[in-house]
Amino acid sequence: QKEVEQDPGPLSVPEGAIVSLNCTYSNSAFQYFMWYRQYSRKGPELLMYTYSSGNKEDGRFTAQVDKSSKYISLFIRDSQPSDSATYLCAMSASGGSNYKLTFGKGTLLTVNP
Amino acid sequence: DGGITQSPKYLFRKEGQNVTLSCEQNLNHDAMYWYRQDPGQGLRLIYYSQIVNDFQKGDIAEGYSVSREKKESFPLTVTSAQKNPTAFYLCASTALLSGNQPQHFGDGTRLSIL
Repeated sequence: QKEVEQDPGPLSVPEGAIVSLNCTYSNSAFQYFMWYRQYSRKGPELLMYTYSSGNKEDGRFTAQVDKSSKYISLFIRDSQPSDSATYLCAMSASGGSNYKLTFGKGTLLTVNP
Repeated sequence: DGGITQSPKYLFRKEGQNVTLSCEQNLNHDAMYWYRQDPGQGLRLIYYSQIVNDFQKGDIAEGYSVSREKKESFPLTVTSAQKNPTAFYLCASTALLSGNQPQHFGDGTRLSIL
């Protein structure tokens, strides 16, 4: 079993839809969770950064972490064509090698006008 | 503007040639990282460095070398020993403060074989 599993998609939705992106993980030591957005031919851009379980909201984006289920989600409300990108989840453990990130493979999202 | 600058944007390598990818940051970050991104593979860690003159191998270090002579610079050399170098290479950095800090990325270098 891979440490981090992410559905690669592709995912295509109409403008204005609510988008749900998900990752599961197997390493119970992971405590820090990130979502990055990557446009074509660009580097990943940090969207959300959360610690431990719970929800975090930033504008149209909500990150959710459920450590008991080893499951994280990113919700995008009122999706826009400019949200079309690849979304990468990433996570790390505390202590020791806590500065090393483990990434999912990314989900390609297209928002159609 | 603070950020991470990678150059060149595109690079071509001939058979048997070593090439060096540049990564510079002006964020005063302590740690720097090199990742390789292949289609469908996600990001894989090549090397990382948490302090000047020290670095550690990541998951796929074979065929690569790095140096960290200055805090702001972390160049990656793709040697002729790397038989499949075609990929998108990403440099990242982070501050080593208390608690975990997220990594920030440059815009990458795309390396291809001639």
